[in-house]
Amino acid sequence: DGGITQSPKYLFRKEGQNVTLSCEQNLNHDAMYWYRQDPGQGLRLIYYSQIVNDFQKGDIAEGYSVSREKKESFPLTVTSAQKNPTAFYLCASSKRTGVTEAFFGQGTRLTVV
Amino acid sequence: KNEVEQSPQNLTAQEGEFITINCSYSVGISALHWLQQHPGGGIVSLFMLSSGKKKHGRLIATINIQEKHSSLHITASHPRDSAVYICAADNNNDMRFGAGTRLTVKP
Repeated sequence: DGGITQSPKYLFRKEGQNVTLSCEQNLNHDAMYWYRQDPGQGLRLIYYSQIVNDFQKGDIAEGYSVSREKKESFPLTVTSAQKNPTAFYLCASSKRTGVTEAFFGQGTRLTVV
Repeated sequence: KNEVEQSPQNLTAQEGEFITINCSYSVGISALHWLQQHPGGGIVSLFMLSSGKKKHGRLIATINIQEKHSSLHITASHPRDSAVYICAADNNNDMRFGAGTRLTVKP
């Protein structure tokens, strides 16, 4: 079955360490997105990519980096520069244009201690 | 003012009750999504709407494009419906999310 997979579901890291969250899709979607959710707040866009080897900053990109070397994969690195990295991270994908359905991963809850 | 407003923020119901969650948005949209987030954080896409009404089991979603308003209804609610329900305004994949409605259904 086609879908979008995030891993791991829960992740713990020590403060000051970089950590990479995985997002893979086999839907042949061009566009992929990373969102962050904090308690009591809506999801906010970190980065998005509409095509391989290209990506754009979202509303809260500081302290994060991404790559899009393959169409299927859009990993997110939470760097040590991110001041409040503990959050729920959600990956999504969609066809590039038009009214198309967005598919969502299950999310990764990152806790930095 | 947030671009996507949901109400209520929290909702407690007794099993069997009819539930309505509302979403108002101020941005242009190509579609509107309803998502369900379980206590562990996992998110499930319930509906994508661009007009009218959709039904899936006990869940019904409606949208009024002119009024920029959507509702999610749950009929014959059950404790397993307890979750956070999130509305997302989709403008050609530029997504804006509501803060969510936390629903608790008591047996």
